[in-house]
Amino acid sequence: SQTIHQWPATLVQPVGSPLSLECTVEGTSNPNLYWYRQAAGRGLQLLFYSVGIGQISSEVPQNLSASRPQDRQFILSSKKLLLSDSGFYLCALDGQSTEAFFGQGTRLTVV
Amino acid sequence: QKEVEQNSGPLSVPEGAIASLNCTYSDRGSQSFFWYRQYSGKSPELIMSIYSNGDKEDGRFTAQLNKASQYVSLLIRDSQPSDSATYLCAVRGGGYQKVTFGIGTKLQVIP
Repeated sequence: SQTIHQWPATLVQPVGSPLSLECTVEGTSNPNLYWYRQAAGRGLQLLFYSVGIGQISSEVPQNLSASRPQDRQFILSSKKLLLSDSGFYLCALDGQSTEAFFGQGTRLTVV
Repeated sequence: QKEVEQNSGPLSVPEGAIASLNCTYSDRGSQSFFWYRQYSGKSPELIMSIYSNGDKEDGRFTAQLNKASQYVSLLIRDSQPSDSATYLCAVRGGGYQKVTFGIGTKLQVIP
């Protein structure tokens, strides 16, 4: 069965610090991978999606970036965090014919 | 025009009533449609998927799809306080078949 590992569960970072969130998946190959952000009380905002290694599409221009160095690894990064980067970050996958399946998420608070 | 539109709510219904949640989408070529439930602070979980016009029932939940009207709905019969959550409509389509989410409708079931 498909599994998404996302860590850490919670993170508190100062403004201007770097960020690296990692997502790894098991039980599937060549999935589409997604990073979403959900600000407090708001809907899901698609940040990046990837259809394969090294292939990243950005949905929202901002100070975040994503990379997919391996088929089952998706990384979200920032060089300098802003207060507005606070939120609930979710990694998700979908196979070629299945629904999107979410990891447990990382709650990021930028202080 | 947003790709997937939902009323953010809140939608309040009394316990035991039918809750009706609605969603419209813009990509006429979309083929797969999903409803997710998200409890506060948790990641979304899939509750229904539907792929063809008509109704699909699963327990107290019924998903309805009308591709001609580009409309998807979710009915929850005999609503319970435990159904109180945000319900996200999702649509799969486009060149990369990515899954796009609506903003979600917050449902409150009043005991």
